[in-house]
Amino acid sequence: RKEVEQDPGPFNVPEGATVAFNCTYSNSASQSFFWYRQDCRKEPKLLMSVYSSGNEDGRFTAQLNRASQYISLLIRDSKLSDSATYLCVVNHPSYGKLTFGQGTILTVHP
Amino acid sequence: GAVVSQHPSWVICKSGTSVKIECRSLDFQATTMFWYRQFPKQSLMLMATSNEGSKATYEQGVEKDKFLINHASLTLSTLTVTSAHPEDSSFYICSARVVDRGYEQYFGPGTRLTVT
Repeated sequence: RKEVEQDPGPFNVPEGATVAFNCTYSNSASQSFFWYRQDCRKEPKLLMSVYSSGNEDGRFTAQLNRASQYISLLIRDSKLSDSATYLCVVNHPSYGKLTFGQGTILTVHP
Repeated sequence: GAVVSQHPSWVICKSGTSVKIECRSLDFQATTMFWYRQFPKQSLMLMATSNEGSKATYEQGVEKDKFLINHASLTLSTLTVTSAHPEDSSFYICSARVVDRGYEQYFGPGTRLTVT
């Protein structure tokens, strides 16, 4: 089983749609959780950290369920510029290493 | 925010030659830097963790004699791909962890290596 698993998609949605991505992780000792965004042929950029109580940043909402080892990202009112690969990232309990999911591809079309 | 630079952004080299990639933290000190590799349509795979002033820690399956890492200062880590082969062609990305920001990592823009 992979340490971090995501639905690779692709997700193709129209502008204005709401889209949700899911992610599961296998190591229950993981402590920090993130969503990164990666554009084609670019480096990943931190989108948001994910907190146990859930957190929101504008159109983006992240949720964490430690009992189920499940993380989600909700994007409301999708924009064309949201088209990218979204990476679910979990820290490894030792050495502060990050483990990346394979990414979920999102394409927002007019 | 924390800025990380990488140089070069792309490089083409011949089989058997060595290539050095630099990773710099521009506005902060990074005691720990990470080197990743990403093949097309795959996610980032951690190659090694680079600690300032000590030997790098390599992930399983990564040859330390082939991928030489030096972290000589708090703002610079280098990765040298020695005796490069076409299968080493990939996107190499470094990142740095900001000490007082938990486990967040900030990534350099990446180096695209093509070995012919």
